[in-house]
Amino acid sequence: DQQVKQNSPSLSVQEGRISILNCDYTNSMFDYFLWYKKYPAEGPTFLISISSIKDKNEDGRFTVFLNKSAKHLSLHIVPSQPGDSAVYFCAASPGGGSNYKLTFGKGTLLTVNP
Amino acid sequence: NAGVTQTPKFQVLKTGQSMTLQCAQDMNHNSMYWYRQDPGMGLRLIYYSASEGTTDKGEVPNGYNVSRLNKREFSLRLESAAPSQTSVYFCASSPNAASYEQYFGPGTRLTVT
Repeated sequence: DQQVKQNSPSLSVQEGRISILNCDYTNSMFDYFLWYKKYPAEGPTFLISISSIKDKNEDGRFTVFLNKSAKHLSLHIVPSQPGDSAVYFCAASPGGGSNYKLTFGKGTLLTVNP
Repeated sequence: NAGVTQTPKFQVLKTGQSMTLQCAQDMNHNSMYWYRQDPGMGLRLIYYSASEGTTDKGEVPNGYNVSRLNKREFSLRLESAAPSQTSVYFCASSPNAASYEQYFGPGTRLTVT
């Protein structure tokens, strides 16, 4: 049973446009969410996160939105750059002493075309 | 700082062989983790070590053992490799188990034939 779902395996956008990556979750116990970025032959690197008490968190070109009632979060990248081309993983944590227990989605491959 | 390092980068084993994957971090982190990533799948936690001297099972521990050698090093051992263990293995660390953000190594690509 997949608790964190990234239903789009891939996404292609033009440089300068907005990239929107989506993530859905089923476990209402999750209270913290993270996005990781992964280049080929490298490990995932942390990108941005959001607590369940917020609905938006922004860091430069990256913004994460959380809709708790819909159990949905999205990552917006504006403007998209070719260097953003990577696999993006959504991850969720239940918190409450188990902060380290991250459940990952399958990832979305973002390709930003020049 | 090298961050999290893993050796080897690649390994091919025959069914039944054993091997140990090495991981070290130089960030003075207390907690360390081993994950596996299979094609088209998210990362899944194999084992973790909340602090030096402790280890606990994660989501998919069967067929693996771990050793937290010291604060810096956390190894993963396959005693009798099986084709189902073909995967990319990532080691990660975090300041402590209360931290959400984890820092990952570059991975070990393991093929078991």
